[in-house]
Amino acid sequence: DIQMTQSPSSLSASVGDRVTITCRASQGIRNDLGWYQQKPGKAPKRLIYAASSLQSGVPSRFSGSGSGTEFTLTISSLQPEDFATYYCLQHNTYPLTFGGGTKVEIK
Amino acid sequence: QVQLVESGGGVVQPGRSLRLSCAASGFTFSTYAMHWVRQAPVRGLEWVAAISYDGNNKYYADSVKGRFTISRDNSKNTLYLQMNSLSTEDTAVYYCVKRGECSGTTCYAPKYWGQGTLVTVSS
Repeated sequence: DIQMTQSPSSLSASVGDRVTITCRASQGIRNDLGWYQQKPGKAPKRLIYAASSLQSGVPSRFSGSGSGTEFTLTISSLQPEDFATYYCLQHNTYPLTFGGGTKVEIK
Repeated sequence: QVQLVESGGGVVQPGRSLRLSCAASGFTFSTYAMHWVRQAPVRGLEWVAAISYDGNNKYYADSVKGRFTISRDNSKNTLYLQMNSLSTEDTAVYYCVKRGECSGTTCYAPKYWGQGTLVTVSS
């Protein structure tokens, strides 16, 4: 199985901060990776697909990069509505696997 | 618009069975693979199972293999998850998820998720 190691598991940041979240795959997954945002009591929302393609309707302050085994989600200027938990998902190989999540909290 | 509506969750005793359903609409259900993903309370996301568009290929997480069965009825636009020998470890919100869109031979991470149905395994 492909392990997805996501870091950090949590972070505290202020509005306007630049935030970076990383996912590392235990083996190469090309760019078969998505990033999701989840708020309490809601289903995950896709932000990024194909590692770096921005989902339509998602603010441009979100960006994704990487290929192979190292991937990054960046929020260029954190907004109040961005406080949530973020997950990566590899869909290259079954079983699909998620990163452990990153909870972004208000400093 | 795509809609995925799960049902069938509830409280069940350890060792018992439960069947979840997911009613799909807004797309051609019979042409898409489908997934179940779960999330235990205050925990992360865990992929559970997947089924091909025609039901001929099924995939399972090790944690549910041999106990859970994914199936579909394309005539009813419905996805199912039969859960047997339930344990407290299976307590979670279960999401029905549509396979991501594809462009040529490349498919993308899933976009559409249902709202989830809560399964609580407790004596």
